[in-house]
Amino acid sequence: DAGVIQSPRHEVTEMGQEVTLRCKPISGHNSLFWYRQTMMRGLELLIYFNNNVPIDDSGMPEDRFSAKMPNASFSTLKIQPSEPRDSAVYFCASSLGKGGRETQYFGPGTRLLVL
Amino acid sequence: AQSVTQLGSHVSVSEGALVLLRCNYSSSVPPYLFWYVQYPNQGLQLLLKYTSAATLVKGINGFEAEFKKSETSFHLTKPSAHMSDAAEYFCAVSDSNYQLIWGAGTKLIIKP
Repeated sequence: DAGVIQSPRHEVTEMGQEVTLRCKPISGHNSLFWYRQTMMRGLELLIYFNNNVPIDDSGMPEDRFSAKMPNASFSTLKIQPSEPRDSAVYFCASSLGKGGRETQYFGPGTRLLVL
Repeated sequence: AQSVTQLGSHVSVSEGALVLLRCNYSSSVPPYLFWYVQYPNQGLQLLLKYTSAATLVKGINGFEAEFKKSETSFHLTKPSAHMSDAAEYFCAVSDSNYQLIWGAGTKLIIKP
């Protein structure tokens, strides 16, 4: 099993640019989570999908952030326009069933730096 | 509301010494409890989880945790630290269908 795949692993961009992060969950998993990790705020849940449907997006910071899951094997997190305060490591995780009580499998993360 | 408190943002132990990382939680219903580990520049991975079966849970790499309802604690231990244990450890609690509440993390430093 390849595990959760995220791309790119590193992204450096300038303020105002659009950033798209990609995630391929583990095959067969039906829950997908996007997290953001920073030194100041720790690990934050941004959005949770179950069976490709967004269930909870209350953690999405603002309208500049959007996430989609067009099918069971792909999800994107988009930031437009990006700002320096968006600099963080973004993780995608997947699980079988409803993730709160199931093991979540994390990808390696995308390290985003917005200049 | 659920919450998780990890005591100590950094814990330093000597190689071969006992590792003890503390986690206290609050939950209105019997919780599911987790410990995850994050090695440098990697994603998190599950160490162990408590699901209301045995109160002493054994995980990977020699770690174990004991659920103590009376103390609302789920401390992580390992009898003998190894250099490869240096990482950040996260405690998390869930009593709902999908959301994990994460602790702030504890960085474990192993001294040679």
